[in-house]
Amino acid sequence: GESVGLHLPTLSVQEGDNSIINCAYSNSASDYFIWYKQESGKGPQFIIDIRSNMDKRQGQRVTVLLNKTVKHLSLQIAATQPGDSAVYFCAERLGFQKLVFGTGTRLLVSP
Amino acid sequence: NAGVTQTPKFQVLKTGQSMTLQCAQDMNHEYMSWYRQDPGMGLRLIHYSVGAGITDQGEVPNGYNVSRSTTEDFPLRLLSAAPSQTSVYFCASSYIGTENEKLFFGSGTQLSVL
Repeated sequence: GESVGLHLPTLSVQEGDNSIINCAYSNSASDYFIWYKQESGKGPQFIIDIRSNMDKRQGQRVTVLLNKTVKHLSLQIAATQPGDSAVYFCAERLGFQKLVFGTGTRLLVSP
Repeated sequence: NAGVTQTPKFQVLKTGQSMTLQCAQDMNHEYMSWYRQDPGMGLRLIHYSVGAGITDQGEVPNGYNVSRSTTEDFPLRLLSAAPSQTSVYFCASSYIGTENEKLFFGSGTQLSVL
């Protein structure tokens, strides 16, 4: 899974499978988390967010899970499609407008 | 709405040259910021602004200047480009408020300094 580090892990899935992308965050005081999707040559695009007083939040085909005990965040994508192929990264808020971004996980979806 | 617009999309500079990366947003966002994205690293904050006339440094401000004369525009200036500034630069904006940190990003400027 993703963490603030030097490598870009890759997750390869078949179309129609469910995908789970993981993120380890650094600060137990972080109160807000965001997942972004970045397609090649484009800017990051907001997917879903979650506050620290929640464990789970669902969007359209996406679910974010937050485990504060182990400082772990995950993004679940249901029925993954080729258009979901991108780099996904999480961000944690450490303070006012102070977002710290992870390095990302590349998702490859095969037809 | 166009969202966040960045120009140029690509730029090649020689060491020591100066240039300005343009950023404009039409969402009336108070907050605007510049990030750089390098391989193997997350987005790093260069400078940010919480409103016209107000700017502040982020994590990696050295070598860059910013100004915010209007709500819409937030240009990033490289005064004397260095190879270490080769990167992809993203401008982002958002509302300010405890309920919304959602940043809207531009499409990026790929800068190479030779």
